[in-house]
Amino acid sequence: RKEVEQDPGPFNVPEGATVAFNCTYSNSASQSFFWYRQDCRKEPKLLMSVYSSGNEDGRFTAQLNRASQYISLLIRDSKLSDSATYLCVVNLIFGSGTRLLVRP
Amino acid sequence: DTGVSQDPRHKITKRGQNVTFRCDPISEHNRLYWYRQTLGQGPEFLTYFQNEAQLEKSRLLSDRFSAERPKGSFSTLEIQRTEQGDSAMYLCASQRLGTEKLFFGSGTQLSVL
Repeated sequence: RKEVEQDPGPFNVPEGATVAFNCTYSNSASQSFFWYRQDCRKEPKLLMSVYSSGNEDGRFTAQLNRASQYISLLIRDSKLSDSATYLCVVNLIFGSGTRLLVRP
Repeated sequence: DTGVSQDPRHKITKRGQNVTFRCDPISEHNRLYWYRQTLGQGPEFLTYFQNEAQLEKSRLLSDRFSAERPKGSFSTLEIQRTEQGDSAMYLCASQRLGTEKLFFGSGTQLSVL
């Protein structure tokens, strides 16, 4: 089993849709959790940290479920510019990414 | 530009040759990481430094790979006797001690023919 697993997608959604990604991790002692965004042929960039109590940044909401060992990212009111690959990171270990395509 | 810089951006080499990449982190960042990324995969951890000390290496890292950070500033990653399977994007990231956020460079794309 991989240490950090994500559904590769792609998720193909219309503008304005709400989309959610999950990411599972195997190390129950994990302490740091992040979501990064990576555009095609670019470096990853931090989207948001994930806190135990959950956190929100505009249209983006991240949550952590320690009991089930997963983190989630919810994107509301999707924009065309949200099209990218979303990488979850647990203790500096990256998942393989989930690709999101937002269509007009 | 005060971000993480990597050089070269692209490298094409023949199998069996040695290559060296350079990473200049953000100046006040103590930690420096090397990752490798292939198409359709997330970045794979290779090694990291805190100042000049190499604190961790991936057990998947071949002996052909070596990294240095001699003065605790820039770092180099050398691959000896390159193989076609080494073709990938090599990403460097830096981090300020006590924080979690990684700042990535634009990467070096290696193609081994």
